[in-house]
Amino acid sequence: QVQLQESGPGLVKPSGTLSLTCAVSGGSISSNNWWGWVRQPPGKRLEWIGEIYHSGGTNYNPSLKSRVTISVDKSKNEFSLKLTSLTAADTAVYYCARQGVSRYTAWFDPWGQGTLVTVSS
Amino acid sequence: EIVMTQSPGTLSVSPGERATLSCRASQSIRSNLAWYQQKPGQAPRLLIYGASTRATGIPARFSGSGSGTEFTLTISSLQSEDFAVYYCQQYENWPRTFGQGTKVEIK
Repeated sequence: QVQLQESGPGLVKPSGTLSLTCAVSGGSISSNNWWGWVRQPPGKRLEWIGEIYHSGGTNYNPSLKSRVTISVDKSKNEFSLKLTSLTAADTAVYYCARQGVSRYTAWFDPWGQGTLVTVSS
Repeated sequence: EIVMTQSPGTLSVSPGERATLSCRASQSIRSNLAWYQQKPGQAPRLLIYGASTRATGIPARFSGSGSGTEFTLTISSLQSEDFAVYYCQQYENWPRTFGQGTKVEIK
């Protein structure tokens, strides 16, 4: 079955850029699915960051849109997240997940294990 | 943005008892709602989508109901492995949004 695994630095400096990659195994990123990023600050609710289709189409959370870029690398079967101008408020566990094939099937299943990113000097 | 509100914040239940969790949307989301279970240190796990369809491998003691703005997740007979935090999520519109969670704890 499809499995996802996040990777990237666990500590990033304020005003810096967060770069994470999600490797997809057991299936193709070019399948008829959207792929998304969700984060969870300590003790807070889950927050959707954005989603991408293998063709490169994206949708972003308006609250983060000016700072977020999600991209896909079909040759590596992975997709990536970049978040710029970091502050302590961006400290969170970041998850990647597979979404459904359309707007109205956008639940998340499965999820990666998550990676904690701390923004601190 | 559609705001999702869950109640109660914490639910204390004895093993074997029934648990009823609520989720309210700030506007109609029809049946475009999912439920997730999250245990400490783990990623969320999909339980229900389409407001009432169990995901693959989810036990029948989990059931979802509702449409429009009011939704319910029911766990018919709580097992020890069910004590966790539960989140609802709407996918009617962008941005996708989650509720703040309901923690189900052992009474």
